[in-house]
Amino acid sequence: DQQVKQNSPSLSVQEGRISILNCDYTNSMFDYFLWYKKYPAEGPTFLISISSIKDKNEDGRFTVFLNKSAKHLSLHIVPSQPGDSAVYFCAASADTGRRALTFGSGTRLQVQP
Amino acid sequence: GAVVSQHPSRVICKSGTSVKIECRSLDFQATTMFWYRQFPKQSLMLMATSNEGSKATYEQGVEKDKFLINHASLTLSTLTVTSAHPEDSSFYICSATRQEANYGYTFGSGTRLTVV
Repeated sequence: DQQVKQNSPSLSVQEGRISILNCDYTNSMFDYFLWYKKYPAEGPTFLISISSIKDKNEDGRFTVFLNKSAKHLSLHIVPSQPGDSAVYFCAASADTGRRALTFGSGTRLQVQP
Repeated sequence: GAVVSQHPSRVICKSGTSVKIECRSLDFQATTMFWYRQFPKQSLMLMATSNEGSKATYEQGVEKDKFLINHASLTLSTLTVTSAHPEDSSFYICSATRQEANYGYTFGSGTRLTVV
């Protein structure tokens, strides 16, 4: 069973607008969540993380929101830039980040100039 | 920031041969190394977890005799694909961390393995 789900395989937004990528999880033991950007044949690039004791974390254009009761997190990118076009993976871990990451299936973001 | 060097980035081998993939943490001591595999247009799937000096723990469905993992030091872990077959062709990625709360994960750049 998929413990981390990204239900939107793709998303297209205009440059300068907001991109919102969503992620749901089922495992209540997850307490550390991360977002990665990935290009084909490359390792994932870390974007932002959040621990379960918070509900929001910001870093520049990236903000991650966590709703523990709904087991849902989202990544907001504002403003979106063409260079943001990539596949974005949501990942979760248990034991305050000491365990392996479980990845979602990814969302391909395309930012149109 | 933390860096993990993974080699080779790309390898082509014949069926039945073995291939070794190395991951080195360059500026920190990685107590734990994770090995993932990604098939085209799919997610990263965990294959195994290795702690320095201990035997690796394999995920269900991953053959430990086929995918040999060694983590003999805090800066080096290797994955050897033994008797490779075309269905082993995939993208293999390592990830290193330390056993500290929310330390984070550093990924290698990946190895594209093609078995012909």
